[in-house]
This record gives sequence, structure tokens and C-alpha cells, in this order.
Amino acid sequence: AQSVTQLDSQVPVFEEAPVELRCNYSSSVSVYLFWYVQYPNQGLQLLLKYLSGSTLVKGINGFEAEFNKSQTSFHLRKPSVHISDTAEYFCASTFSGGYNKLIFGAGTRLAVHP
Amino acid sequence: DTEVTQTPKHLVMGMTNKKSLKCEQHMGHRAMYWYKQKAKKPPELMFVYSYEKLSINESVPSRFSPECPNSSLLNLHLHALQPEDSALYLCASSQGSGSGRPEQFFGPGTRLTVL
Repeated sequence: AQSVTQLDSQVPVFEEAPVELRCNYSSSVSVYLFWYVQYPNQGLQLLLKYLSGSTLVKGINGFEAEFNKSQTSFHLRKPSVHISDTAEYFCASTFSGGYNKLIFGAGTRLAVHP
Repeated sequence: DTEVTQTPKHLVMGMTNKKSLKCEQHMGHRAMYWYKQKAKKPPELMFVYSYEKLSINESVPSRFSPECPNSSLLNLHLHALQPEDSALYLCASSQGSGSGRPEQFFGPGTRLTVL
């Protein structure tokens, strides 16, 4: 069965520092992977996606993620964060041939401090 | 237009009320979803409509009744809810199975409070 694990429930970081939010997945079939961001009292916004091809994917707001099949990981990175990046981040997966159902990780709360 | 809209933004209802949540998208997507999200938790899938037909019901209680009047609209009818049903209800849409575009786009949500 598919599952997604976000290894950190909270990540505090200072403004302009780099950040990495970790995500591991398990699936016996080819997966599609996503990172979503949720600001307080809002819906989810798609940051980036991995469907196939290049393992380094770039998204909005300066975020990028690397798909690593051998380590079954899809970690999210940003080289320099801003206060406005404070939000909840969800990693999610679905699989080829059945992608009507997203499997979400538990979420990581990114708190950027001045 | 890459937007999913939801109305109302907030809803307060009593346990005997009947109300409806509405969702609309104009991206030509053929799959639409309802999710329920409790505080500090990820969204939980409730229903999936694919090509206007209900394809997934995640064992949701019958007090929640979905409806897909056409490919752009999705409703969630609510009746005899319980206080534990208070949550953020999110609608999403995607291109649909077989399109090669599995990413889902979410609306802003309806914050529901059941008294």
C-alpha cells in the first residue's frame, strides 16, 4: 500500500537561512509526487510536482525538490526563506493508473523567525 | 483561469439544519473531489467524481450527500450534522484519469461550524 511520511512535524528556521523539508514515500508501483503549501485559513496551493523525467523539479516561490528513487525520498528545499514562507507543507503521492486518490503526509509546519 | 471557487467561505449550522456547500471550476477538469480537513491534520478524501459520476466514496456517513450537476459544479449537501463534523471542507479538481495530469487544484475551502 502507498504511504507518505514527513519526518519532521515542525521546522523552525531563521529568515534568509536554507531549509529542507523531508518526505519519504513507499509504493510498489510508479509514483507521482507533489508538495503543497497551506497558509492559515486557506486551501492548498501546488508548489511543485514530479511526474517523470528530470529528478530535480523546480516550483513556485523559489522552492525545488529532488526525486530519489533509491532512497524513496522527495525532499523540498529552499536556499533562503522569507517570513512569508511560514505555513504548513504537505507532501503527497498518487500512482500511475489510479491517480484519483492523493495520499498525504502528516504535514510539516515551517516557522520562519526574523 | 486556474481557479477553484467555493461558497460560502464560512458556514455555521445547527444539528437539524440542511445546508449545501458549492464548488466551481472552469479549467475543463473532469475529476472533482471533496475533502475534509481538521485542524493540524492533512486533508481526508471524502468523495471523487470522475466524468460526473461518483467513483469513490470513502465510507462517508449519509448525512453528507454529494452531487455533481455538470462537469464544472460540485455540491455537498449537509443534513443532521454532528459537532464533530466541524472542519474545513475543501474542493479540488484535476484533469481526470488517463490525462497524464494527476495534479489536483484546491479551492480556498468552507469553514463549517456545527453547533
